Amino acid sequence: GEEVAQTPKHLVRGEGQKAKLYCAPIKGHSYVFWYQQVLKNEFKFLISFQNENVFDETGMPKERFSAKCLPNSPCSLEIQATKLEDSAVYFCASSPQTGNTGELFFGEGSRLTVL
Amino acid sequence: KQEVTQIPAALSVPEGENLVLNCSFTDSAIYNLQWFRQDPGKGLTSLLLIQSSQREQTSGRLNASLDKSSGRSTLYIAASQPGDSATYLCAVRRNEKLTFGTGTRLTIIP
Repeated sequence: GEEVAQTPKHLVRGEGQKAKLYCAPIKGHSYVFWYQQVLKNEFKFLISFQNENVFDETGMPKERFSAKCLPNSPCSLEIQATKLEDSAVYFCASSPQTGNTGELFFGEGSRLTVL
Repeated sequence: KQEVTQIPAALSVPEGENLVLNCSFTDSAIYNLQWFRQDPGKGLTSLLLIQSSQREQTSGRLNASLDKSSGRSTLYIAASQPGDSATYLCAVRRNEKLTFGTGTRLTIIP
């Protein structure tokens, strides 16, 4: 598609439950990024993919967070055993083949609320 | 560690005025710099992308400059309109990581 599509728009989970978010990048874009926005303008980088390969995962809290980008499927970000501090808006972005110099296009985000 | 700062944090100007938003970054080894706007409760809309080898980019009433050696970028908005009210974010990219600034909340007063 022509836009980065994120689902669901809103997700509510009880503490300890699992949460799974999805992202369909723009068709033809090879790079996918996940960011977490907790407070207003603070964006925390989580992970990036080049096609289905993890490129940079230095921002991922590995004990509970995992992500995948499989061929012919939306990318996913999964949080096992959610905690209150996981409440945030999770943004996905994609970038074209040009990689490092490419422009990032963001989805509208998925708001996760952990109660 | 890259740190990106935007000044001012908030700005209110009357409609029709020209204005400048500032962005500074601590590590000049970047691939590019991108300016975004974010409306309340919405995602990020890309405004301008400046490659590290470029000095400026223009799109309509927007002009962004980049001085990589001094770690600075500015976003110039000409003839501001109420529809320009939003939060403006700059972000610098190195490798596959994008580091965002702290944002400037802009309000255009009709």
